[in-house]
Amino acid sequence: ETGVTQTPRHLVMGMTNKKSLKCEQHLGHNAMYWYKQSAKKPLELMFVYSLEERVENNSVPSRFSPECPNSSHLFLHLHTLQPEDSALYLCASSQDLITDTQYFGPGTRLTVL
Amino acid sequence: SQQGEEDPQALSIQEGENATMNCSYKTSINNLQWYRQNSGRGLVHLILIRSNEREKHSGRLRVTLDTSKKSSSLLITASRAADTASYFCATDARGFQKLVFGTGTRLLVSP
Repeated sequence: ETGVTQTPRHLVMGMTNKKSLKCEQHLGHNAMYWYKQSAKKPLELMFVYSLEERVENNSVPSRFSPECPNSSHLFLHLHTLQPEDSALYLCASSQDLITDTQYFGPGTRLTVL
Repeated sequence: SQQGEEDPQALSIQEGENATMNCSYKTSINNLQWYRQNSGRGLVHLILIRSNEREKHSGRLRVTLDTSKKSSSLLITASRAADTASYFCATDARGFQKLVFGTGTRLLVSP
């Protein structure tokens, strides 16, 4: 266990649904990240939060909406997704921003029908 | 363009053999990290090597860094079936302000 939990572990949703992914870290870290991992592609950084402030948004479509209510929790709200959004969504945290070692959650396997 | 790129893409060996994976990157870095991912799971940090270090060991892992060639290697000695996983390098390219991961090397260790 890395100290980072994600729920749900698996999610199947239709293109018109609204759902949320949740991430929680128990490590007292200041930075949290959302990544998307698709088959045969490098890990894609989506969003970065530091001390609950969003510091990076990597040109992610607006159908993905992050929320960081406190330094331990991170959400990814999903709405009107496309089938190509099907992927493993990984949450990570680190003590401080950017280049520090990151601790990953187990991921949410998302399938969009 | 992609910062880290692993080679080979896939590697299949027998238990007890050594496994070597390579990572090349394009710009100057502060440090380079190696991560491991079991199928469909999150990544687990293995080792971090700083730009002023040339070699680092952790248990059966040995990492080298050659900043003149912009490359790193990960050696797993006396491999076990449990080492079967994908291995990724991640660089923090100065100026990028984020970790950039490669596409990974898929390692299969057969009993």
